[in-house]
Amino acid sequence: AQSVTQPDIHITVSEGASLELRCNYSYGATPYLFWYVQSPGQGLQLLLKYFSGDTLVQGIKGFEAEFKRSQSSFNLRKPSVHWSDAAEYFCAVGEGSNYQLIWGAGTKLIIKP
Amino acid sequence: GAVVSQHPSWVICKSGTSVKIECRSLDFQATTMFWYRQFPKQSLMLMATSNEGSKATYEQGVEKDKFLINHASLTLSTLTVTSAHPEDSSFYICSARMGYEQYFGPGTRLTVT
Repeated sequence: AQSVTQPDIHITVSEGASLELRCNYSYGATPYLFWYVQSPGQGLQLLLKYFSGDTLVQGIKGFEAEFKRSQSSFNLRKPSVHWSDAAEYFCAVGEGSNYQLIWGAGTKLIIKP
Repeated sequence: GAVVSQHPSWVICKSGTSVKIECRSLDFQATTMFWYRQFPKQSLMLMATSNEGSKATYEQGVEKDKFLINHASLTLSTLTVTSAHPEDSSFYICSARMGYEQYFGPGTRLTVT
């Protein structure tokens, strides 16, 4: 069965430091990959997506992610985090004729001042 | 573009009553809409997939007679929680699919007293 693993339940990073959130997927075909962010009391916002082409994807708010087929990974990165980046981050894979999303468990990002 | 609204954003109801939540795609037509439930500090749990004009497909363990889904048009889907009980209290999120992507509503906080 398809699955998405986000191995880190929470990560604490100092403001201004770099960030990498891990995501591994299990999917037989070429995956449609997504990263979403959910701030407290807010809806889900799409950060970036990968369907095909360049494996390094740029998103909003200075985020990027790299698709590595050999490692079945789609890690999210940001060179310098801001306090406003504190939120829950979800990785997801789209599958099936309806492009249903398979979700990771989420990683909570905590920013130290 | 690609805005999805949900109404109401929060609702409190008494045990035994029914509650209807609306999900609308405001500026696009969505063949498929999804309903999710999210418990505190957890990922999204897909409840059902609904295609316009046909019956919703419910995920295993979701009671279709309790969570009634109607997708009467390409821009509107409704979720009715029937005979609500306190254990139905949760955050309900809808999404509408356009192409490969899902666009999410802001969610509805349901509290059953």
